[in-house]
Amino acid sequence: EAQVTQNPRYLITVTGKKLTVTCSQNMNHEYMSWYRQDPGLGLRQIYYSMNVEVTDKGDVPEGYKVSRKEKRNFPLILESPSPNQTSLYFCASIPWGQNTDTQYFGPGTRLTVL
Amino acid sequence: AQTVTQSQPEMSVQEAETVTLSCTYDTSESDYYLFWYKQPPSRQMILVIRQEAYKQQNATENRFSVNFQKAAKSFSLKISDSQLGDAAMYFCAYLDSNYQLIWGAGTKLIIKP
Repeated sequence: EAQVTQNPRYLITVTGKKLTVTCSQNMNHEYMSWYRQDPGLGLRQIYYSMNVEVTDKGDVPEGYKVSRKEKRNFPLILESPSPNQTSLYFCASIPWGQNTDTQYFGPGTRLTVL
Repeated sequence: AQTVTQSQPEMSVQEAETVTLSCTYDTSESDYYLFWYKQPPSRQMILVIRQEAYKQQNATENRFSVNFQKAAKSFSLKISDSQLGDAAMYFCAYLDSNYQLIWGAGTKLIIKP
C-alpha cells in the first residue's frame, strides 16, 4: 500500500529538549515536504526537498532542520523546541511526472512543547 | 506571492441538502492545480477533488463538484446530498510551479441531522 508514515503520532516534550519527527514514504517520490498546521492559519510549509541531498526553506523554517540522505526518508529536527512550536505537523510527498498534482500526506504528528 | 482565501470560517447545512464552500486565490501563473482537502476529527488530510487550471471543465467526484472560474480566480466546492460523514474542516489549496502547496485557513462544515 502506498503511504507516508510519520512517527511519533503524538509527542509531549519540554523546552530545549532536542527531538526528531520521522517521515517515510514507500512510493519512490522525489519531492517531500513538511507543514505545520495551526488554528486559523491553514497549513504552512516549513521545509521541502526536491531530491536526495536537496532541501530548501519554506515559509516558516525558523527553529527547524531537515535532512534528506535517502529518497524515502525526510526527518524533521527541532534542535531546541519552544512552546511556539506546539502544533500539528504533516509530512507529504509528490511524484514527478505522472500524477504530479497530488500530494500524499502522512497521518500527522501532534507536538506539544511545555 | 500566491494567496488562498476562504472567507467562511464556518458553514452549516441540513443533512441531504446542498452546500457551497467558497475559495478565492491570487496568482500570476497560468498553469497550476487547485485542490479541496477534507480534514475530519482524525486530523488526516483527505483529497476531495482537484482541478487543473488549463482544463475548462469543472471537476466532479460523486457528490462533490467544483465551480472553477479562472478569470475570477474562484474555486468553490459544492457538496450535494450532504451526509453526516461530510462534517469536517475543508481546506482549499493551490499548487504552484515550485510544487509548494498554498493553503486557505479552512472552513468548518457542520451537518445538521
